[in-house]
Amino acid sequence: DIQMTQSPSTLSASVGDRVTITCRASQSISSWLAWYQQKPGKAPKLLIYDASSLESGVPSRFSGSGSGTDFTLTISSLQPDDFATYYCQQYDTYRTFGQGTKVEI
Amino acid sequence: QVQLVESGGGLVKPGGSLRLSCAASGFTLSDYYMSWIRQAPGKGLEWISYISTGSSYTNFADSVKGRFTISRDNAKNSLYLQVNSLRAEDTAVYYCARDRRKGIISAFDIWGQGTMVTVSS
Repeated sequence: DIQMTQSPSTLSASVGDRVTITCRASQSISSWLAWYQQKPGKAPKLLIYDASSLESGVPSRFSGSGSGTDFTLTISSLQPDDFATYYCQQYDTYRTFGQGTKVEI
Repeated sequence: QVQLVESGGGLVKPGGSLRLSCAASGFTLSDYYMSWIRQAPGKGLEWISYISTGSSYTNFADSVKGRFTISRDNAKNSLYLQVNSLRAEDTAVYYCARDRRKGIISAFDIWGQGTMVTVSS
């Protein structure tokens, strides 16, 4: 099974900060990686698919990069609405989620 | 409006069963792979099963293999998850989700609101 490891688990940041979350796969997944944002009590929301493609309607301050085993999600200027938990997910072989990164004030 | 609505959750005793449903609207369910994902209270997301467009291919996470069954009725635009031999560790919100590309595995672009399953005596 492919394991996904996110870091950090928790990130403290301020409005306007540039934030980077990393995700590492236990084996190559090409670019078959997505990033989701989840707020308490809500379903996850797709932000990025195919490692770097921005989902329609998602603000351009979100970006994704990487291929193979190492990936990053970057928020260029953190906004109040961005405080949430972020998950990476591979879909190369079945599906696996990372353990999540909570972005807090 | 494209949406998924889950139902069928509830309180069940250990060893019990439930059938979860996911009703799709605003799109043709038969065009898309579909999955179930769960989230235990205060925990992360866990993918548990997917089914191909014509039901030819299914797969399950090891944690539920042999106990859960996924199915779909494209004519009714509905997805199902039969959950048997339930354990306390199956307590979670269960989400259904759609793969964003027609006919192939991809990221999940549409999620339901979730249905809560609580396993307790």
